[in-house]
Amino acid sequence: KAGVTQTPRYLIKTRGQQVTLSCSPISGHRSVSWYQQTPGQGLQFLFEYFSETQRNKGNFPGRFSGRQFSNSRSEMNVSTLELGDSALYLCASSTGTGGKETQYFGPGTRLLVL
Amino acid sequence: AQTVTQSQPEMSVQEAETVTLSCTYDTSESDYYLFWYKQPPSRQMILVIRQEAYKQQNATENRFSVNFQKAAKSFSLKISDSQLGDAAMYFCAYRLGGGSNYKLTFGKGTLLTVNP
Repeated sequence: KAGVTQTPRYLIKTRGQQVTLSCSPISGHRSVSWYQQTPGQGLQFLFEYFSETQRNKGNFPGRFSGRQFSNSRSEMNVSTLELGDSALYLCASSTGTGGKETQYFGPGTRLLVL
Repeated sequence: AQTVTQSQPEMSVQEAETVTLSCTYDTSESDYYLFWYKQPPSRQMILVIRQEAYKQQNATENRFSVNFQKAAKSFSLKISDSQLGDAAMYFCAYRLGGGSNYKLTFGKGTLLTVNP
């Protein structure tokens, strides 16, 4: 099976712009979670989608949003970019059925906001 | 809120030796899972090992094993016969049990260096 893929891998934006990142989960997986990784704050949970519905949400401002499509692919959008949004954005996929199952991470999208 | 603490920002070990990475967590829940993830320079997060809180037996995966002390809320990772490929950032993570909770709470990480 192909792993989790994220596009694009690298992105440079300027303050005030918006950006959309994409995550394609492993085939058959219906849950996609998003994380932000920065040197200062570490890894922080953004949100999780399951069957096109947001099931869990972290503590981020409304500028961060996401959605999931019927094929389980997910996108996250950040509007009105700030310098502090520069980070590695990771997504993770799983079947979504709970329990001890493993979440598989993608390679990440590195976003630089200038 | 659950918190995960890794008190060792950096550790080093000689190739073929054993090293233990520490992790403590805080939770009032009884049903949860604990994980160790590895993040090499490529930045791809890879699951190393996981532990179910309801299991008393410590998990092992080849050269990797954990020491899970539930009462002390401690979850350390032991790497035996360290290899150069083990060099990476290691993250301890917590996840609440239940069917619909997929939020992982991570520690700040421990950077492991393996010396030849």
